[in-house]
Amino acid sequence: GDSVTQMEGPVTLSEEAFLTINCTYTATGYPSLFWYVQYPGEGLQLLLKATKADDKGSNKGFEATYRKETTSFHLEKGSVQVSDSAVYFCALSGGTSYDKVIFGPGTSLSVIP
Amino acid sequence: GAVVSQHPSWVICKSGTSVKIECRSLDFQATTMFWYRQFPKQSLMLMATSNEGSKATYEQGVEKDKFLINHASLTLSTLTVTSAHPEDSSFYICSTYGGDLDYGYTFGSGTRLTVV
Repeated sequence: GDSVTQMEGPVTLSEEAFLTINCTYTATGYPSLFWYVQYPGEGLQLLLKATKADDKGSNKGFEATYRKETTSFHLEKGSVQVSDSAVYFCALSGGTSYDKVIFGPGTSLSVIP
Repeated sequence: GAVVSQHPSWVICKSGTSVKIECRSLDFQATTMFWYRQFPKQSLMLMATSNEGSKATYEQGVEKDKFLINHASLTLSTLTVTSAHPEDSSFYICSTYGGDLDYGYTFGSGTRLTVV
C-alpha cells in the first residue's frame, strides 16, 4: 500500500541554519503531497502542498518540490528561526474528498538561539 | 479557508466512562470525516472514515464497538470513546477535505484525552 518515509529525528539546529527534512513516498497513481506542521500542544496545520510532478510548494520560507522520478518531497528552509521548532509531517493523499491522508512518522525540529 | 472546530480540546475522565468528541465543519459541508489517533511522539494513525448518513469504515485493529463514530449531518461528526481505559489516553484529531486542494485537508485542533 501507499506509504511515506521521513528522516528520523530529532533534529536540532542553530538559528539561521539551513534545514532539510527528507521525505520519500510509495504510491500508486499520482498522489498529492503535503507537509504539515504541529506545534507543541496543537493540532496540525498545512504548511505547503504540491499536486503534480515538478510542482513546488512554498510557505513561510519553506519549500518542497514534487520529484516523481525520485519519489521525493524534501522540505527545505534557508534560515530557520526558534519559532520553527515543531514536528513536521510529510503526507500524501489521492486528493479527493474520499481519500485518506497517509502520514510519515514525523520529524521533530528544535531550533536553538 | 475551511475550518473544522473540534471540542473539547482536552478532557480527563474516569475509567469506565464514555467521552464524546465533536468535530464541526464551519461554512462548508464535510461529506467525509477522518478520525486519527496520535500517541506521544508518534505519527497520526487513521482510525476510521465516516461518511454522512452511513456507517463508518474502521481501519484494521480498531474496535468499532469501543470507538463509536456518528456522522449524522454534513457539518457534524462525533467520536465516542466508550468504557474508556487508561490505554485509550491519546490525542484524537479529526480531518475533512476542505472543498478543494487550495484548502487541502483541514484538521481540527485535536482532543487530548486522559483516562484515570
